[in-house]
Amino acid sequence: AQSVAQPEDQVNVAEGNPLTVKCTYSVSGNPYLFWYVQYPNRGLQFLLKYITGDNLVKGSYGFEAEFNKSQTSFHLKKPSALVSDSALYFCAVRDPNTGFQKLVFGTGTRLLVSP
Amino acid sequence: DGGITQSPKYLFRKEGQNVTLSCEQNLNHDAMYWYRQDPGQGLRLIYYSQIVNDFQKGDIAEGYSVSREKKESFPLTVTSAQKNPTAFYLCASSIAADTQYFGPGTRLTVL
Repeated sequence: AQSVAQPEDQVNVAEGNPLTVKCTYSVSGNPYLFWYVQYPNRGLQFLLKYITGDNLVKGSYGFEAEFNKSQTSFHLKKPSALVSDSALYFCAVRDPNTGFQKLVFGTGTRLLVSP
Repeated sequence: DGGITQSPKYLFRKEGQNVTLSCEQNLNHDAMYWYRQDPGQGLRLIYYSQIVNDFQKGDIAEGYSVSREKKESFPLTVTSAQKNPTAFYLCASSIAADTQYFGPGTRLTVL
């Protein structure tokens, strides 16, 4: 069965510094991987996805993620954090061998960017 | 959140009462989904529908029911059989197996 792990409940970074939010996954085949962001009392906003191709995926708001098949990881990164990036971030995986787009979500990582 | 609306934003339920959460999308997406979000647990799939008049149970369907009579609508009913319904409920839609897009959510509280 597919699964996702986000090992850090919270990540703290100072504004202007680079940030990384970690995600590892487990699927039986080649994964489809997604990152979403959630602001308080709001729905999830799509940031980026990896399906195939270049291992470095660029997404919204300056975020990017690197797919590493050997380490089964899909870490979210941003070169320079903003206070407004403070939010809850979810990694999700889909096993393309299933006949339906079932996403399995991690438990989320809270990002706190200090001024 | 654009293109998917959920109502109401806040909902209060008394013991033994059924309540219905609305989800509407104008994105012409075939597939729609309902998730439940609890603190520290991520999102869990309740029901999903790939086409009109068809839906399947997700991982935590007990105590919930849905209908899909129109492509743009996928209402969720939380029945009295759901013993712990207090949560944040999120609706999503997608074109077939592509990216899921989420609505703004409904926060349900049991009084």
